[in-house]
Order: sequence, then structure tokens, then C-alpha cells
Amino acid sequence: AQKVTQAQTEISVVEKEDVTLDCVYETRDTTYYLFWYKQPPSGELVFLIRRNSFDEQNEISGRYSWNFQKSTSSFNFTITASQVVDSAVYFCALSEAEGKLIFGQGTELSVKP
Amino acid sequence: NAGVTQTPKFQVLKTGQSMTLQCAQDMNHEYMSWYRQDPGMGLRLIHYSVGAGITDQGEVPNGYNVSRSTTEDFPLRLLSAAPSQTSVYFCASRVRGRSFTDTQYFGPGTRLTVL
Repeated sequence: AQKVTQAQTEISVVEKEDVTLDCVYETRDTTYYLFWYKQPPSGELVFLIRRNSFDEQNEISGRYSWNFQKSTSSFNFTITASQVVDSAVYFCALSEAEGKLIFGQGTELSVKP
Repeated sequence: NAGVTQTPKFQVLKTGQSMTLQCAQDMNHEYMSWYRQDPGMGLRLIHYSVGAGITDQGEVPNGYNVSRSTTEDFPLRLLSAAPSQTSVYFCASRVRGRSFTDTQYFGPGTRLTVL
């Protein structure tokens, strides 16, 4: 069965600290896509990144970086030099062959000044 | 483009009442879906549609109906509201109906409380 696990329910850091959000997935498909979404306190869901199963290159976008490792079925998200505006709930999701999105439980990140 | 829009933003119902949550997109997306978000459970798929006239059940379809008469609209109907349906509801869409590669974009959500 397809499954996404975000074991960290809540993380609290102080501004400027680096923080990594873990995401582990299970799938029998050989081709799949992984996503990260951000849900700020205002409630909307904001798309951050999409990664396909054949591309294991790490990706960096400003202070955000993503580490995809098929060997450990993980797609972890790191925020460097965190800021208060990074406070949000972050969701990892897996897109399976039929196109349905399977979400993890979410990690609530609190960045304190 | 307005993207994905949802109405209402907030709604309070009494047990047994029925109502329709509206979702519309102006991007000519084939695929539309409804999710509910509950604390500690992430988002769970209720119903989805790969194109006008085609709908299917997701993970938690009981108590909800959908229809897709146009490409733009995908309303979600609560037949007889129950307190267990208190949740935040999100509508999403993506370009192609049958694709697992396309990104889904979400509406702003509807917060529903059933008393």
C-alpha cells in the first residue's frame, strides 16, 4: 500500500537555526512523484516542489533544499537559517500511478525569534 | 486566472442538515478533487474527477456526493451532516485527468463545523 510518514509532529527552533523535516514513503510503483506543500497559519496550501522517482539529484531553492534518496525511501526537506515566516505546517505527498495524492500527517514547524 | 476558488470560507451546520460546498477553477484543468484535513491525519481524498461527467471515490467518500457536469465546477454535497464531518475541506485541480506527474493546486479551503 502507498503510504507517507512524517514522524515529526512538531518541531520548534530558534530563528537562524537549520531544520530538517523528514519524509519517508512506501510504494510498489517504480515511477512516482513526490511533493512538498506548505500550509502557513493563513490556511492555504502552497506548492513547494515536485520530484520524480528517476531524479535523485538534490535540489536547492534559496534557503530551501531537498534530499531525495530512493535507497531509504526518503525525501527530506531542509530549511537553512530559518526565519519566523517559515512557521507553518509542511506536508509531504506521494503521487501514485492513478494520480491520487497520498499525504503524510504533516509537520508543524515553529520558528521563534 | 483566479485559480481554484471555494465558497463558503466558513460554515456552521446542525446535525442532519445538508449543504453543498462549491469549487470552481478557471484553468481548464481536467482533474479536480476534494480533500478533508483533520488534525494529525494530513489530507485525505474524498472524491475526485478526471474530467467532466466522470467521478470516483477516494479514501473517505461516505456521507458525501459529487458531480462534474462542467469542466469548471466540482461541488461537494453533504447529504446529512454529522459532527464527524467537522473538518477543513480543500478542493484541488491539475491539468491532466489521468496523470500522476502534474502538480495539484489547492483552493483556500472551507472550514465546516457540524454541531
